Amino acid sequence: DTEVTQTPKHLVMGMTNKKSLKCEQHMGHRAMYWYKQKAKKPPELMFVYSYEKLSINESVPSRFSPECPNSSLLNLHLHALQPEDSALYLCASSQGYNTDTQYFGPGTRLTVL
Amino acid sequence: QQQVKQSPQSLIVQKGGIPIINCAYENTAFDYFPWYQQFPGKGPALLIAIRPDVSEKKEGRFTISFNKSAKQFSLHIMDSQPGDSATYFCAASKGNNDMRFGAGTRLTVKP
Repeated sequence: DTEVTQTPKHLVMGMTNKKSLKCEQHMGHRAMYWYKQKAKKPPELMFVYSYEKLSINESVPSRFSPECPNSSLLNLHLHALQPEDSALYLCASSQGYNTDTQYFGPGTRLTVL
Repeated sequence: QQQVKQSPQSLIVQKGGIPIINCAYENTAFDYFPWYQQFPGKGPALLIAIRPDVSEKKEGRFTISFNKSAKQFSLHIMDSQPGDSATYFCAASKGNNDMRFGAGTRLTVKP
């Protein structure tokens, strides 16, 4: 099973709202990632968690707050977003920090009004 | 700074044709080169990957050719089908899971 699941599939929020995106994998992977993908663009790395600790933060604005409650779960908390934050948010996982194959979830389509 | 350059931006071929997508990289520390296929509204799916110790890898109708000295690699799709119509991303990483993607190629295979 190489499945990464993400919820919700779609999310519409206002600029004053607080919402969270959820990602889950049951492959025993110890590294998990958040990417942001704008239309017709490649995914851009936002955060990397390795063994439940934040290891890479690509200077993402503080209105995005990641959380890794355990090795299977990854959350992305959203607060005071801007319309330009509208994008497809992708979660991925890989077996370990030095293992390269990343498996992506289907993404959450976020629209900020 | 774009670390992985991908071309062409879009590509149209007839069914049965052999589309070729090219990528070039600059950082010689990269040691893993995957290709991802992405359909509209879906996440990228790993298609095939290669490491620099081999010059070619084939999986089904998909082949990666790798030229370490030129710092280039390419994806060939044999006997292309309309179902192969998707966006293809090359990528490169250097063992720390900091993966860099190319800009993507939108492939259309006409029936």
